[in-house]
Amino acid sequence: QQQVKQSPQSLIVQKGGISIINCAYENTAFDYFPWYQQFPGKGPALLIAIRPDVSEKKEGRFTISFNKSAKQFSLHIMDSQPGDSATYFCAAGGANNLFFGTGTRLTVIP
Amino acid sequence: NAGVMQNPRHLVRRRGQEARLRCSPMKGHSHVYWYRQLPEEGLKFMVYLQKENIIDESGMPKERFSAEFPKEGPSILRIQQVVRGDSAAYFCASSPDREWAFFGQGTRLTVV
Repeated sequence: QQQVKQSPQSLIVQKGGISIINCAYENTAFDYFPWYQQFPGKGPALLIAIRPDVSEKKEGRFTISFNKSAKQFSLHIMDSQPGDSATYFCAAGGANNLFFGTGTRLTVIP
Repeated sequence: NAGVMQNPRHLVRRRGQEARLRCSPMKGHSHVYWYRQLPEEGLKFMVYLQKENIIDESGMPKERFSAEFPKEGPSILRIQQVVRGDSAAYFCASSPDREWAFFGQGTRLTVV
C-alpha cells in the first residue's frame, strides 16, 4: 500500500517558470512532511520541510503548501533553473520512519 | 562536520555471498535509518535503529537481512546469501531527533 502518492512522474518546465509537484497521504498520524532533492548517483538531500500546524513555508525559491483537511501538500519551485533538474521526493513522517513518494523527475530547459 | 558516510560506494557480490554495508552517522546523531531504492523508484523504509537498539524493522525482509548499530562504530546492514533481486541502492540516513533525516551517498549493490 502506497502511503504517499506523488505526481506527476515527470515534469518539463521552461527556465524561469514555476514547477509544481503534488503529494497526497493517507495516515492522519503523520506530522512531518519533508521534500528531498536527488541528483543521479547521489543521496537524497533535504530541501525543505513542514509540519501540519502551518499551511505554507517558504525558503528562497522553494515553497511548500500544506492542506491538512485534504491530506495534500505540494512543492512549488519559483523561477526554475536548469540546475534544479533532478528527482524530487516528497515524504511523510510517522513515529519511526519516513514514507516516500515515488519521485518526480524535473527537467528545466533553458 | 562530515555528513553521513557510507561505504563502500559500490559493492559487487556473487549470488550466495554476503554483503556488508556500513554507515557512520553525522556527529551527534543517534538515530539511523536504512532505505532501499530500486532504479526509477522511491525509497523504501527498511529499519530504524538507535544505539544498540532496533526500534522498527517493519520494512526488513524476514530472512537474510539484519541490521545493527553498536555502541561503538558504524551501523551495519548485512545481507546474507545475496540474490539478484537484492541489487539496489541502499541509503542510510541519520537524525539527531527522529526527524530532519540526512542521507548518505548510498551503497550501490550489484549481485552477479
